[in-house]
Amino acid sequence: DGGITQSPKYLFRKEGQNVTLSCEQNLNHDAMYWYRQDPGQGLRLIYYSQIVNDFQKGDIAEGYSVSREKKESFPLTVTSAQKNPTAFYLCASKNRDTTFDRPLGYTFGSGTRLTVV
Amino acid sequence: EDQVTQSPEALRLQEGESSSLNCSYTVSGLRGLFWYRQDPGKGPEFLFTLYSAGEEKEKERLKATLTKKESFLHITAPKPEDSATYLCAVQGLRGYQKVTFGTGTKLQVIP
Repeated sequence: DGGITQSPKYLFRKEGQNVTLSCEQNLNHDAMYWYRQDPGQGLRLIYYSQIVNDFQKGDIAEGYSVSREKKESFPLTVTSAQKNPTAFYLCASKNRDTTFDRPLGYTFGSGTRLTVV
Repeated sequence: EDQVTQSPEALRLQEGESSSLNCSYTVSGLRGLFWYRQDPGKGPEFLFTLYSAGEEKEKERLKATLTKKESFLHITAPKPEDSATYLCAVQGLRGYQKVTFGTGTKLQVIP
């Protein structure tokens, strides 16, 4: 079955450490996204990529970095510059409606819960 | 700035007791309104997209409707397995990839 695989499911980060969250999709979607989910808040966009070797900052990109070397993969690095990284991180992808040019819904992965220790 | 407000924050229903969840929005030209279901510790699961006022979509016990100011997710004769958090999101004309999410309604269906 096609889908998005995020790993690991749980991740613990020490102070001053960089960590990388993995996101792989086999849906052949061009666009991929990283969201952060905190209790009581709506999902917030960190980075997105519409095509290989290109990505754009979202609303809360500070302290994060991404790469898009392959269509299937969009890893997120949480750097030591991110002061409050404890959150639930969601990777998503979506296709493009080329017939009507209407936005389509996301397919989300199962998430990575990052905790600072 | 686009905004999405969902109400109520939490809803407790008896099995079989129908109800509706509300999503009020302000957006600079609606391109699409989305409903998702999220189980605890999981990623959201796509349910519906609505594109214009008057549009309706159904899936099993769920029916989504859209007006120019709000959307409703109607749940008919809910079952315990419908318990989840339901998220609403909008995409407007400003910023091609900008999707604004609400904070969700947590639904609990009691047997």
